[in-house]
Amino acid sequence: QVQLVQSRAEVKKPGASVKVSCKTSGYMFISYGVSWVRQAPGQGLEWMGWISGYDGKTNYAQKFKGSVTMTMDTTTSTAYMEVTSLRSDDTAVYYCARDEVYSVGWLDFWGQGTLVTVSS
Amino acid sequence: QSVLAQPPSVSAAPGQNVTISCSGDSSNIGNNYVSWYQQVPGAAPRLLISDSNKRPSGIPDRFSGSKSGTSATLAITGLQTADEADYYCATSDNTLNVLFGGGTKLTVL
Repeated sequence: QVQLVQSRAEVKKPGASVKVSCKTSGYMFISYGVSWVRQAPGQGLEWMGWISGYDGKTNYAQKFKGSVTMTMDTTTSTAYMEVTSLRSDDTAVYYCARDEVYSVGWLDFWGQGTLVTVSS
Repeated sequence: QSVLAQPPSVSAAPGQNVTISCSGDSSNIGNNYVSWYQQVPGAAPRLLISDSNKRPSGIPDRFSGSKSGTSATLAITGLQTADEADYYCATSDNTLNVLFGGGTKLTVL
């Protein structure tokens, strides 16, 4: 069955970086993409960007260009998202979700979420 | 402030029907598919509707989606207490970014 398993919760200080992993299984990684979505406490869903599992092409939301980097490793079927220069308002649950391979589509399977807390 | 407008909350009694609207414009909903997601507290979102009106495997036929022009609607018939959750619409825009609605909290009275 399709699974996306994310790395564990992290606590970071302002200005630090965090890298969240999303290990996939149960499907052919290179035939799909991965989108990343975050949810601040008590808030709605916010799309951050997408990466193709086929060629690593990325598309970032304007808000996150320059502060977020998405990468992938086809040998381990794992997607990664790194956020730099963390601020307190980056405190959120970060989700990865399976997406289309050539562009964004619909998110049919989701990871369990990774809570990133930014606090001094 | 989300580009896609959803009512903050809706409520209905068990067994009744409810609809949730999602309003956009020609740069998003008007030229793209719409998807809908259900999120119960403490859990990851779940895809309910793709391509505006298609149900993934395992989603009951009590859930249906439609789109007309620059708006979309999620309909839930025969409400159950388990349907109490937050519901989000989503689409893409002309820069191939995903847009989410602000979410609608469904309360089953």
